[in-house]
Amino acid sequence: DAEITQSPRHKITETGRQVTLACHQTWNHNNMFWYRQDLGHGLRLIHYSYGVQDTNKGEVSDGYSVSRSNTEDLPLTLESAASSQTSVYFCASSARGPNTEAFFGQGTRLTVV
Amino acid sequence: AQTVTQSQPEMSVQEAETVTLSCTYDTSESDYYLFWYKQPPSRQMILVIRQEAYKQQNATENRFSVNFQKAAKSFSLKISDSQLGDAAMYFCAYRGGATNKLIFGTGTLLAVQP
Repeated sequence: DAEITQSPRHKITETGRQVTLACHQTWNHNNMFWYRQDLGHGLRLIHYSYGVQDTNKGEVSDGYSVSRSNTEDLPLTLESAASSQTSVYFCASSARGPNTEAFFGQGTRLTVV
Repeated sequence: AQTVTQSQPEMSVQEAETVTLSCTYDTSESDYYLFWYKQPPSRQMILVIRQEAYKQQNATENRFSVNFQKAAKSFSLKISDSQLGDAAMYFCAYRGGATNKLIFGTGTLLAVQP
């Protein structure tokens, strides 16, 4: 069965370190998204991609970067982790078209100490 | 920019009763889609129901239905015959036809009382 997986599930890192969260999907979806979930804020869009070599900034992109070198993967990099980036991160993917269902990974809980 | 607002941080319902979760949105686009997602304690995001803006008929999926008021930009979710398994965080989401971005509200935490 097709799926979308995130790794790691949990991570603790120190302030100032670079951290990369992995997202891999086997749906062959063009669209991929990264969100962070915080209490009282819901899911906020960090970055998104419509296809290989395409990346776009979301509403909370400062301090994060992504790259899309193939269809399956959209890794999220925190260039210099800050305590404000402690959160639960979700990756999602969908086929082309705004009416298509987005499928989500199981989330990564990141703690920056 | 498009926004989604859920004004009820928490709701509670008795088992077997009906509850309505509110959602409003703001957009200048004419082509868009609306969704309700459920997030149980497992953190998994589950699509509950979707609505195409060009369709006047309200979407229904078993015990879940929506009240879509396009002019008022309102998209509420009604859960009938509530069950204990319905307890979860519910997110309203918007997706524009032009941008394809999926934008979420802040969520409503639903408790179901036995």
